[in-house]
Amino acid sequence: DAGVIQSPRHEVTEMGQEVTLRCKPISGHNSLFWYRQTMMRGLELLIYFNNNVPIDDSGMPEDRFSAKMPNASFSTLKIQPSEPRDSAVYFCASSSDIANQPQHFGDGTRLSIL
Amino acid sequence: EDKVVQSPLSLVVHEGDTVTLNCSYEVTNFRSLLWYKQEKKAPTFLFMLTSSGIEKKSGRLSSILDKKELFSILNITATQTGDSAVYLCAVFYGGGYNKLIFGAGTRLAVHP
Repeated sequence: DAGVIQSPRHEVTEMGQEVTLRCKPISGHNSLFWYRQTMMRGLELLIYFNNNVPIDDSGMPEDRFSAKMPNASFSTLKIQPSEPRDSAVYFCASSSDIANQPQHFGDGTRLSIL
Repeated sequence: EDKVVQSPLSLVVHEGDTVTLNCSYEVTNFRSLLWYKQEKKAPTFLFMLTSSGIEKKSGRLSSILDKKELFSILNITATQTGDSAVYLCAVFYGGGYNKLIFGAGTRLAVHP
């Protein structure tokens, strides 16, 4: 079975550019989560969706960050304009919304903003 | 404030040693506690614990939950170099939709 698929694996871009990260959840999973991981702050939940609807975006750091889930098999996380402090590994995870189902993670996108 | 605290933050052992990793939590409406292993890429799921005192085992790894004292331990016996990783503890809390809060992780290095 295919796991959570993220693209790109690595992204290096200059400050001020728009960055778009992509995620395809596991088929049949109706909850999708975006996380950011840094050495200083560990794994932080940015936003999560259930049945394509954003449920909680309280972890989104500021208005430069936005996320969409246009259908059950695709989500994007966009940063515009990007800043060096956005450099991190961004993970997407998915799960069933049945109570207490573990989240399954993609391999992440390593983002470097110069 | 909801939080998950892991200790130690890092640990260096030799192959064959036994290690114990700790996780304590303070969250509203606790539901379950999960352990993940993170090598170079994605965190991979190890265990989920919902009830106190029931040990979960998988090979050389085992874990147990104490809901009265609000902590869990992850034991690894006869460690191998392949056990080197960051071990993350996470807790389901609050309402629905399986929202997790993660600890900072324990970085384990197993030397030959």
